[in-house]
Amino acid sequence: QSVLTQPPSASGTPGQRVTMSCSGSTSNIVTNFVYWYQQFPGTAPKLLIYRNNQRPSGVPDRFSGSKSVTSASLAISGLRSEDEAFYYCATWDDNLNGQVFGGGTKLTVL
Amino acid sequence: QVQLQESGPGLVKPSETLSLTCSVSGLSITSNYYWVWFRQPPGKGLEWVGSIHHAGSVYYSPSLKSRLTISVHTSRDQFSLRLNFVTAADTAVYYCARGSHDYGDVWGRGTLVTVSS
Repeated sequence: QSVLTQPPSASGTPGQRVTMSCSGSTSNIVTNFVYWYQQFPGTAPKLLIYRNNQRPSGVPDRFSGSKSVTSASLAISGLRSEDEAFYYCATWDDNLNGQVFGGGTKLTVL
Repeated sequence: QVQLQESGPGLVKPSETLSLTCSVSGLSITSNYYWVWFRQPPGKGLEWVGSIHHAGSVYYSPSLKSRLTISVHTSRDQFSLRLNFVTAADTAVYYCARGSHDYGDVWGRGTLVTVSS
C-alpha cells in the first residue's frame, strides 16, 4: 500500500494529451515538493519533473507538472509511442520523515 | 558527466547482511548533494531506502531503519549500504543516486540482489 495514490494505468493515442494523477495528504504533498520519474522496463528511473513543475535539462516541454493542495498531476502533450513507460510520483512525508512514492502508472500509447 | 555505479554480491542468504557500494565519478562526493539509495522489488514499484550527506546528515526509511546503515567514504568517492538480517522481502534491484534528501536526479543502472539460501 503506497502512501501516494496513482491510477495503475493510463492510455492515449499519438498526438493526444494525457494526464495522470498523484493523490497524497497534508503530511506530504501539501507541504513538500512533488517529483515525477519515468521508467522503462529494465532500466533505471529518470527524473522527469522536480519541485512540482520544473523540467531537468533535456526533458521536452511536452511534459509538465502541477500541484494543487493534496494532489499533483503529470501531463504529457503530443503523445508519442516512446512515451510508453511507467510514471512514478514522489515527495517527502513529514510524519514518516522520509521519501514516499506512488505505486506508479503504466502509460500505454494505443 | 556524473555517473554512479552500484557493486556488490548478487546473492545473499537469509538472515545475513546485504552490502552494496556506489562509486561516483565525474563529481566529488563532498559536493553539496545527498547520496541516495532506492530499491525496486521485481515487478513492483520504487521504494526509498535512505539518503546521506557527506557532512553527516542521514535519513533512513522508517521501515528499514533498525537494520540499515548508510555511510559515505570520501577518500574513495563512494557511499555504501548495509542491511542486516535480510529476508526474501529484501530481494530487489537496488539503485544509488545523486540528489537531495527528497529526490534523486542522477541514477546508477541498478543491481539485482536476491535473498535466497
